[in-house]
Order: sequence, then structure tokens, then C-alpha cells
Amino acid sequence: GENVEQHPSTLSVQEGDSAVIKCTYSDSASNYFPWYKQELGKRPQLIIDIRSNVGEKKDQRIAVTLNKTAKHFSLHITETQPEDSAVYFCAASTGSNYKLTFGKGTLLTVNP
Amino acid sequence: GAVVSQHPSWVICKSGTSVKIECRSLDFQATTMFWYRQFPKQSLMLMATSNEGSKATYEQGVEKDKFLINHASLTLSTLTVTSAHPEDSSFYICSGDREGLLVYTFGSGTRLTVV
Repeated sequence: GENVEQHPSTLSVQEGDSAVIKCTYSDSASNYFPWYKQELGKRPQLIIDIRSNVGEKKDQRIAVTLNKTAKHFSLHITETQPEDSAVYFCAASTGSNYKLTFGKGTLLTVNP
Repeated sequence: GAVVSQHPSWVICKSGTSVKIECRSLDFQATTMFWYRQFPKQSLMLMATSNEGSKATYEQGVEKDKFLINHASLTLSTLTVTSAHPEDSSFYICSGDREGLLVYTFGSGTRLTVV
């Protein structure tokens, strides 16, 4: 089955700096790669996603890049703000069964 | 946008009792409902996948007789934790796949504490 590795497990940045979180996946058939933000005790919130026919996608301060050959994808957050502090999860899914496999998460702390 | 209503949001039960968690898609038909368990400071682990009208498919290591899943309609799926034990205490969360479009909508989660 699919295996998703996520790094780093914790990331601390100063307000205004950029943050980058990286994930690798094992199943070359995976074709959908969402990123979720989860605050303590709450549901994961989709912040951005990318499909395998696209190499990069941007939404304001957030961007995701996908390298299908290397089987890795990354989340980039620019101009970080304290409210960006949360746990971020990457995930991968194949079209065959639509199951999402999650990475272990990254605790992002943005210091004011 | 798509909404999945999950109830209860938290529950405390005694060891040996059963607890039912309900997920209802309010404005879309959830062809598939996924059930996850999340222990503190850990990732979401898929427990089972259910499709409307058929038996759920459980992930390896998940006891199907302990975690009963019913997906009787395109808008309602339930997870029943039977004979709960303290080690079942966790955050349970469902996610509906909107009509097979690879659009996953999460419920708000249920914090289960077994005492």
C-alpha cells in the first residue's frame, strides 16, 4: 500500500519567514495530494491540493509543488503569521479506491 | 460548501459499553465514507472504508467485530465501538467522498474517553 513520509516533524519560524514542509510517497499510481491544517481538537482543514497532472499550484501565501518523477511534494507558506501555527498533514490518494494516506504531520510554530 | 455533521462531539463511557458515532452528509451524497482514528499527537489512521449498501472494508489490524460500520444511505454512516476499553479512547473522525469526486469532507470529530 501507499506510504507517505513527512518532514520535518516540528518546525519553528519567525513571523514573516517562509516555511517549507516536504513529503514523499511510494505508490506511483497516486494522483491526488492534499495538504491539511489541523488545530488542536479540530477537524483537518484542506488548505491546498494538487493533482498529478499539475506541477505547481498557488493560493495567496500558500503553494504546493509536485515532482512525480521523484515522488515528492512540498508545501510552501510565505510571510508566515502566528495564526499559521498548527499541525500540517500531507496526504496521497490513488483513484482506484480513493483512500487517503496521511503523513505523520508537522507541528509548525510561528513566533511573533 | 459540503458539510459532514458528526455526533457526538465528545462522549465518556464506561468500559464494556458500546458507543455509536454518527456522520451525516448534509448537502451532498457521500458515495464513500472513511473512518479514521487519531491518537494524541499522532496522524490520522484509516480504520475502514464504507460504501453505501455494502460491507465496510477494514484496514489491517482493525477488528471488524469491535468497530461496526454501517452505511445504510448515501447521507448517513455510523461507527459503533462495541465493548469499549480504555485503549479505545481516541479522536474518531469521518470523511465523506463527495460523489466519487476525490473531494474529501471531514466531520468535526468525536473525542471518545472510556473510563
